[in-house]
Amino acid sequence: DTGVSQDPRHKITKRGQNVTFRCDPISEHNRLYWYRQTLGQGPEFLTYFQNEAQLEKSRLLSDRFSAERPKGSFSTLEIQRTEQGDSAMYLCASSPAAGVRGITDTQYFGPGTRLTVL
Amino acid sequence: GQNIDQPTEMTATEGAIVQINCTYQTSGFNGLFWYQQHAGEAPTFLSYNVLDGLEEKGRFSSFLSRSKGYSYLLLKELQMKDSASYLCAVKMTTDSWGKLQFGAGTQVVVTP
Repeated sequence: DTGVSQDPRHKITKRGQNVTFRCDPISEHNRLYWYRQTLGQGPEFLTYFQNEAQLEKSRLLSDRFSAERPKGSFSTLEIQRTEQGDSAMYLCASSPAAGVRGITDTQYFGPGTRLTVL
Repeated sequence: GQNIDQPTEMTATEGAIVQINCTYQTSGFNGLFWYQQHAGEAPTFLSYNVLDGLEEKGRFSSFLSRSKGYSYLLLKELQMKDSASYLCAVKMTTDSWGKLQFGAGTQVVVTP
């Protein structure tokens, strides 16, 4: 399977605990995105990486959130001191580099990690 | 900010046609995507429009009018498996690396 994978698929934690999610993008994609989705809403952008460089962070990403992509391949999203409001589906997506002839930077999503904070 | 509006829910019968409208307001438009999302699953890519006109892919077609800030997704010969949420997403020119801004999604219910 060469799609985007995420681990874990589900995470239940108690308020105040730290959690970390992993995303493995499609191997030839150098762009990686994290989104958050709550029930009945579309995904909301959190952050973006081009290779290992984190180029933008949304205002939604408070200082309790940190994301890394150390070798330009997989990425991790960590939430410290979780709050009940962090409960959501966390989606990762990847896309190839734009500007290459014949390739659009369509984003392909992974299955998501559903976080429940009790 | 970005406003992307689409209806909350639509119901149609198996074999029928449904048209999902999406309107957007943006200071710089650089493409519109449609995704399908089944409950509890990831969004899957359906179509991409950057120029005005109709793009057809089998039973699904997507239309774009940039001057009107309007797109629609047309689903023909509806099947039960088409019951899902359909997300309209806009890419803006100010985000050259491709951040998408999504609407809230339209839940399509296909009845027998």
